[in-house]
Amino acid sequence: AQSVTQPDIHITVSEGASLELRCNYSYGATPYLFWYVQSPGQGLQLLLKYFSGDTLVQGIKGFEAEFKRSQSSFNLRKPSVHWSDAAEYFCAVGARNAGNMLTFGGGTRLMVKP
Amino acid sequence: GAVVSQHPSRVICKSGTSVKIECRSLDFQATTMFWYRQFPKKSLMLMATSNEGSKATYEQGVEKDKFLINHASLTLSTLTVTSAHPEDSSFYICSGRDYHTGELFFGEGSRLTVL
Repeated sequence: AQSVTQPDIHITVSEGASLELRCNYSYGATPYLFWYVQSPGQGLQLLLKYFSGDTLVQGIKGFEAEFKRSQSSFNLRKPSVHWSDAAEYFCAVGARNAGNMLTFGGGTRLMVKP
Repeated sequence: GAVVSQHPSRVICKSGTSVKIECRSLDFQATTMFWYRQFPKKSLMLMATSNEGSKATYEQGVEKDKFLINHASLTLSTLTVTSAHPEDSSFYICSGRDYHTGELFFGEGSRLTVL
């Protein structure tokens, strides 16, 4: 069975500082990997996804993520955080043959200090 | 981009009543829709997968008689919480898979509060 672990429940960074949110997955083959952002009381917005090819994926809002097969990781990064980035971030994994059924990590709540 | 609309966004109901939540794909055809439940400060848990015109597939531990899912058309899926109880209070999110592109799009979520 596939699973996703986001080790950090909360992260606080200063505005303008760099950010890295960790995500580790467990899956038997090469998975589909996603990062979503959720603002309070809202649905999910896709930041980026990895299906195949270049392991460094660029997303919206200046985010990027790198797929590292050897580490079973798909960490999300942003070089300079903005106050509007404060939200909940979810990493998710989907099997290639499961019709986009996703398994989500527990989420990381990002807080941004002025 | 493609849009999935959920309605209502918030609903408050009395214990014992039934509540219907609609999930519409506004500009694409969704052959498959997924319903998730999110507890406060928790991740999303898949409840069921519905394919247009067929019965939904429920995840283990999800009561199919309590959470009725209908996916009668390529643009509409509904989740009905029957005989709701306070423990059913939660944030419910649907997602639809675009028939043509295979991409997945999420709705804005529906917050259910059962008094």
